[in-house]
Amino acid sequence: AQSVTQLDSQVPVFEEAPVELRCNYSSSVSVYLFWYVQYPNQGLQLLLKYLSGSTLVKGINGFEAEFNKSQTSFHLRKPSVHISDTAEYFCAVSQTGAGSYQLTFGKGTKLSVIP
Amino acid sequence: DAGVIQSPRHEVTEMGQEVTLRCKPISGHDYLFWYRQTMMRGLELLIYFNNNVPIDDSGMPEDRFSAKMPNASFSTLKIQPSEPRDSAVYFCASSFIDRAYEQYFGPGTRLTVT
Repeated sequence: AQSVTQLDSQVPVFEEAPVELRCNYSSSVSVYLFWYVQYPNQGLQLLLKYLSGSTLVKGINGFEAEFNKSQTSFHLRKPSVHISDTAEYFCAVSQTGAGSYQLTFGKGTKLSVIP
Repeated sequence: DAGVIQSPRHEVTEMGQEVTLRCKPISGHDYLFWYRQTMMRGLELLIYFNNNVPIDDSGMPEDRFSAKMPNASFSTLKIQPSEPRDSAVYFCASSFIDRAYEQYFGPGTRLTVT
């Protein structure tokens, strides 16, 4: 079984400032890692994913995340946020291979960008 | 493609009533998922289908919940009878079989049971 911990439930940040949203996971097997974004009154949308290879992955809207196996972390970063980035961000993990459909989500981090 | 379509977007009902939530997945997708989102428990997978066949319903909370997928373009999640603790946002998602982790979510149905 896997679990995901998002350390911050809310993160306020000023526009054009950098942001990091933290995610730690626990698993006894190899995993895939994901960040999903949920804009107000919408469903979740895949932001980026780590399957294998380079530990630094880039996603849509200028976001990137780094997989750190020793720290069991997958933190999300953006160097300069915009008002439109205001949303809730979910870190998720799944087993590799046949179990990859089973996403385990964190509780989410609400990012509020302040003008 | 219009994406995953869910209806209704909002549903308010009284305790004891039957509730039916509907979902149209993205055309060509093999998997369909039903999730429930609450403040207390976050996002939980209720059930998923592979080519219209229910594969894993271990997340369905009780016998009051049932889901069907009569064809590749339509699924329902039914709660009968509904209870106040069923109040939540219910999401439908779909994906291709070889990228099951890349799930496309619908906008959700916000259910309120009074």
